[in-house]
Amino acid sequence: GENVEQHPSTLSVQEGDSAVIKCTYSDSASNYFPWYKQELGKRPQLIIDIRSNVGEKKDQRIAVTLNKTAKHFSLHITETQPEDSAVYFCAARKAGTALIFGKGTTLSVSS
Amino acid sequence: EAGVTQFPSHSVIEKGQTVTLRCDPISGHDNLYWYRRVMGKEIKFLLHFVKESKQDESGMPNNRFLAERTGGTYSTLKVQPAELEDSGVYFCASSQAAAVPGRGYTFGSGTRLTVV
Repeated sequence: GENVEQHPSTLSVQEGDSAVIKCTYSDSASNYFPWYKQELGKRPQLIIDIRSNVGEKKDQRIAVTLNKTAKHFSLHITETQPEDSAVYFCAARKAGTALIFGKGTTLSVSS
Repeated sequence: EAGVTQFPSHSVIEKGQTVTLRCDPISGHDNLYWYRRVMGKEIKFLLHFVKESKQDESGMPNNRFLAERTGGTYSTLKVQPAELEDSGVYFCASSQAAAVPGRGYTFGSGTRLTVV
């Protein structure tokens, strides 16, 4: 089955800096790659997703890139703010299956 | 639209007791998923329903866990008998028949289970 590796497990940045979180997946048939943000005590919330027929997608300060050949995808957050502090999860799936999540990255943005 | 509803929000039980968690998905969502997050670690897949059928239960840890989805609507996850290592936050999520870009899953708020 699918296996998703996520790095780093923790990331500390200064407000205004950029943050990058990287994931790799094992199943070349996976075609959908969402990113979720989970704030303390709350439910995971979808922040951005990308399909395998797209290499990059951007939504304001957040972008995701996908390299299908290398089976890598990354989350980029620019101009980080304290409210970006949370745990971020990447995930992958192929059609008809459940999302498999990475182990999460705890992002801390200090002002 | 109403979101995914889970209850109870918290449950504290003694080792050996039984607990039943419930999830009400978004109306019209055929896909329902159970996940567990233990000790702040990864969101680990447990089970996937399509309507009332178990599509994939490969993540269920052992036969102390039993999931049902009556009539393809709400789902229950029963743990019997509960062990200390079952403690964690159990999340339910639902999605439409096919993953819709920009939608993904909608998660419930989770049930925090503590086994003492």
